[in-house]
Amino acid sequence: DSGVTQTPKHLITATGQRVTLRCSPRSGDLSVYWYQQSLDQGLQFLIQYYNGEERAKGNILERFSAQQFPDLHSELNLSSLELGDSALYFCASSTPGVNGYTFGSGTRLTVV
Amino acid sequence: AQTVTQSQPEMSVQEAETVTLSCTYDTSENNYYLFWYKQPPSRQMILVIRQEAYKQQNATENRFSVNFQKAAKSFSLKISDSQLGDTAMYFCAFMKLPSGNTPLVFGKGTRLSVIA
Repeated sequence: DSGVTQTPKHLITATGQRVTLRCSPRSGDLSVYWYQQSLDQGLQFLIQYYNGEERAKGNILERFSAQQFPDLHSELNLSSLELGDSALYFCASSTPGVNGYTFGSGTRLTVV
Repeated sequence: AQTVTQSQPEMSVQEAETVTLSCTYDTSENNYYLFWYKQPPSRQMILVIRQEAYKQQNATENRFSVNFQKAAKSFSLKISDSQLGDTAMYFCAFMKLPSGNTPLVFGKGTRLSVIA
């Protein structure tokens, strides 16, 4: 157990639908990062939240949104899903001044 | 913006042999961190090794070592005495400071197969 919890582990949904992915960071970590990994590709940075506020944005589509709650867990919302959104979505967490990033085990999203 | 390039999509090595994975990066930053992550078939992201740019000494973790050439912006990973369990995707990643509060930028990865 890495300390970062992602739920659900697997998700199958139809095109046009909306899903929510959840991430609980490692205890004490203030930053949460979301990454998308399409089949046999690298990890694409989507968005970062730090202590409840958006801090950095990467290649995140307008159909995607995220938030971080007061208890520091984060949710990634994906809407109007397309076949190309099928991917592994990772959450990672970190704390400023500490050089380690801890990754969750990912959510495998399949859009059919 | 920073970019990370891994020019070897796939590599293979015989068990017990040594293999080197290449990584180059582009940045205007002077202080930063570099990482190698391993992703086995389980898909879990596992930190292999970390290098601080201000350190001239190359990082080493057991059978894993790096060759960090700051001027050339090169950061290769050497795996000695390769084991079957080393079979995985390997990602090179860059992080600018402040540490622990900026996103990692990943390369596209190198798929390493260790052959018995």
